[in-house]
Amino acid sequence: AQSVTQPDIHITVSEGASLELRCNYSYGATPYLFWYVQSPGQGLQLLLKYFSGDTLVQGIKGFEAEFKRSQSSFNLRKPSVHWSDAAEYFCAVGSGGDYKLSFGAGTTVTVRA
Amino acid sequence: DTGVSQNPRHKITKRGQNVTFRCDPISEHNRLYWYRQTLGQGPEFLTYFQNEAQLEKSRLLSDRFSAERPKGSFSTLEIQRTEQGDSAMYLCASSLQTGNTIYFGEGSWLTVV
Repeated sequence: AQSVTQPDIHITVSEGASLELRCNYSYGATPYLFWYVQSPGQGLQLLLKYFSGDTLVQGIKGFEAEFKRSQSSFNLRKPSVHWSDAAEYFCAVGSGGDYKLSFGAGTTVTVRA
Repeated sequence: DTGVSQNPRHKITKRGQNVTFRCDPISEHNRLYWYRQTLGQGPEFLTYFQNEAQLEKSRLLSDRFSAERPKGSFSTLEIQRTEQGDSAMYLCASSLQTGNTIYFGEGSWLTVV
């Protein structure tokens, strides 16, 4: 069965500082990996996805993520955070055929001035 | 592209009552998904449709839950005899067939009192 672990429940970062969110997955075959962002009371917005090819993927809002098969990781990064990046971030893994996603528990990001 | 639309956005109901949520997917998306998200957790897969056919149901979807997608367009999720444990956000999502991004709606919040 596929699963995702996000080790950090809550991260606080200063505006302008860099951000890295960790994601580890468990999946028997080639994973399809996603990062979504959720603002309070809202739905999920896709930041980026990895299906195959280049292991460094670029997303919206200046985010990028790197797929490392040897470490079963798909960490999300942003070089300089903005106050509007405060939200909850979810990593998800999908199976190839039906795209039934398994989500991690999420990481809440707080941005301080 | 008007996005995935869900209504009602919020529903408060008394225990034992029935509730129904509606989801209108992005037009031309033939796959439709329902997820449930409780506070502090990531979304959990409930069920998905390809066109009008319900292809998979999670064990989370007890016999009090029923989902339909008549004519392969909008979908409804009905919860009968609601329990306090049903309080959650119910997320709908849609996608084209394999190889495409899953887009989420804003969610429908259910509070059972």
